[in-house]
Amino acid sequence: AQSVTQPDIHITVSEGASLELRCNYSYGATPYLFWYVQSPGQGLQLLLKYFSGDTLVQGIKGFEAEFKRSQSSFNLRKPSVHWSDAAEYFCAVVLGGDYKLSFGAGTTVTVRA
Amino acid sequence: DAGVTQSPTHLIKTRGQQVTLRCSPKSGHDTVSWYQQALGQGPQFIFQYYEEEERQRGNFPDRFSGHQFPNYSSELNVNALLLGDSALYLCASSLHPGTSAQETQYFGPGTRLLVL
Repeated sequence: AQSVTQPDIHITVSEGASLELRCNYSYGATPYLFWYVQSPGQGLQLLLKYFSGDTLVQGIKGFEAEFKRSQSSFNLRKPSVHWSDAAEYFCAVVLGGDYKLSFGAGTTVTVRA
Repeated sequence: DAGVTQSPTHLIKTRGQQVTLRCSPKSGHDTVSWYQQALGQGPQFIFQYYEEEERQRGNFPDRFSGHQFPNYSSELNVNALLLGDSALYLCASSLHPGTSAQETQYFGPGTRLLVL
């Protein structure tokens, strides 16, 4: 079955430490890949996207993600987190020519001082 | 550059009532998608509108219907509300199908619906 999996429900990280959020997908073809962030009570903000080309993608707010076809993964990273990075992060995919985004269940990130 | 806007921000209804939520797309976008996000879950696709027609629909009952106007704004209507319809309803806009990067959707702040 087609699915998007975010294995980590909740991650706690110290301010200034690095962060990595995992995302795996299960689709017959390589989909287009996205990471969104949602602050409490807010809508979704697009962090970055991958359609094709360079497998290391740079996004806003210092985030980057790496696409690995062999592992069907699109993990999100940030070298040094800030307290303002505390939020919920969603990985999402869409198949080319399709119209709907399919989301993972999300990973909640807590940043401790 | 105006982003995606939604109204109202919050809404309280009782079971059996009907509700209408509104969305204006980002400037330059002509396609609107609606998502339902239950508490603690990822958003679920409801449907997408382009050229005033429903283009694709997710696994939602017919109680959920929509409309798109000539100015590309959209409404989501939910009839016969159930307690389980309580959620954050998100609108997303994008470029029309067939254009480059059509798949990139930009989200509004959402409407939080509580059904009592």
